[in-house]
Amino acid sequence: DTAVSQTPKYLVTQMGNDKSIKCEQNLGHDTMYWYKQDSKKFLKIMFSYNNKELIINETVPNRFSPKSPDKAHLNLHINSLELGDSAVYFCASSQDFRGTETQYFGPGTRLLVL
Amino acid sequence: GEDVEQSLFLSVREGDSSVINCTYTDSSSTYLYWYKQEPGAGLQLLTYIFSNMDMKQDQRLTVLLNKKDKHLSLRIADTQTGDSAIYFCAEFSNYGGSQGNLIFGKGTKLSVKP
Repeated sequence: DTAVSQTPKYLVTQMGNDKSIKCEQNLGHDTMYWYKQDSKKFLKIMFSYNNKELIINETVPNRFSPKSPDKAHLNLHINSLELGDSAVYFCASSQDFRGTETQYFGPGTRLLVL
Repeated sequence: GEDVEQSLFLSVREGDSSVINCTYTDSSSTYLYWYKQEPGAGLQLLTYIFSNMDMKQDQRLTVLLNKKDKHLSLRIADTQTGDSAIYFCAEFSNYGGSQGNLIFGKGTKLSVKP
């Protein structure tokens, strides 16, 4: 009965590969997010979707493409992986995007690009 | 732009009180949050405070907000070794008319010595 789940938990891959990370929430929330946490633990938002529509797209290379097939899922596809993409990627969800609702985070996906 | 600052490290002895401080820049922030991240884990929401409040207490946790100085603090009473983690301060910001998103500080690593 995990609220926000991500797969895989760990991902080790070669530079230049394409990979996807999946996220699912069973909280009935309308808004989902992807965050990147770098090696210095700095956490920054990448994307946010509300009801399957993109509402925030921070300065992220277009190699990163989020896809939301339905409100409960927000997947992150990364093309042509680079060494600098190594980080922990967190998915989160909230009831809406107005900030009055708290965000619940998944356990993270640890991506290592070799 | 919006910014959230925290000191990076705090070390206390078991049983003492811990105070983690945070400053933020967006005076229009509606909610301010404290998240906890244990080693190798995701972010866990600890508590939050609405911007029209000065103080919020929740068991061992006390949040103080000085809106004039844009200063937020988290006090943990009777700190235990299980409290060792990284604590992130975050503000919900609509800076620059953006849709609004969570801006995180770099996190304060709390070490509790027995």
